[in-house]
Amino acid sequence: DTGVSQDPRHKITKRGQNVTFRCDPISEHNRLYWYRQTLGQGPEFLTYFQNEAQLEKSRLLSDRFSAERPKGSFSTLEIQRTEQGDSAMYLCASSFDRNYGYTFGSGTRLTVV
Amino acid sequence: QKEVEQNSGPLSVPEGAIASLNCTYSDRVSQSFFWYRQYSGKSPELIMSIYSNGDKEDGRFTAQLNKASQYVSLLIRDSQPSDSATYLCAVNDFGNEKLTFGTGTRLTIIP
Repeated sequence: DTGVSQDPRHKITKRGQNVTFRCDPISEHNRLYWYRQTLGQGPEFLTYFQNEAQLEKSRLLSDRFSAERPKGSFSTLEIQRTEQGDSAMYLCASSFDRNYGYTFGSGTRLTVV
Repeated sequence: QKEVEQNSGPLSVPEGAIASLNCTYSDRVSQSFFWYRQYSGKSPELIMSIYSNGDKEDGRFTAQLNKASQYVSLLIRDSQPSDSATYLCAVNDFGNEKLTFGTGTRLTIIP
């Protein structure tokens, strides 16, 4: 197992377009998290899955954001009608127990022009 | 609103010295505490976790937790240039899955 994989690594999109990111967690991890990080800030929680169930979602997450984990394995994060303020690094992480911390993927850097 | 506070730095430490990084948190029910290292342009990497008051040592790293004072610190002994990075403090509440991160402290080890 090579850790948490994210695809793509970089994405440049025009304002108003939709984008989708994929995350493949460590196989034995049932917990999957999405975070967003902007320059000079710490990662900000977006949403959390345990297996296929989305159990927590940040109140900061607008309706333009949606995430799925259809079979409890990989996850996708979609942003509709992107805005320049969506430009950030989108980080996926997984764990088998929240008390042991997360393993982060390499992230997807989104630039909205 | 839970807050996790860190001095943004930069903190400059000579090679071979001890680097001391501090973090305070506002929520008394915080239960688990983590230190992540993040190199420029890379994702965070977990280096230490601590749950009980006192010290926890792992190689050159020591995490210290004081729940009464609501602070957690990270000591790096024998600092190396490869330790130059941003160090993120994160806390987790009982029954809550998400981690709340501080803004990070940028550490520079001077050869």
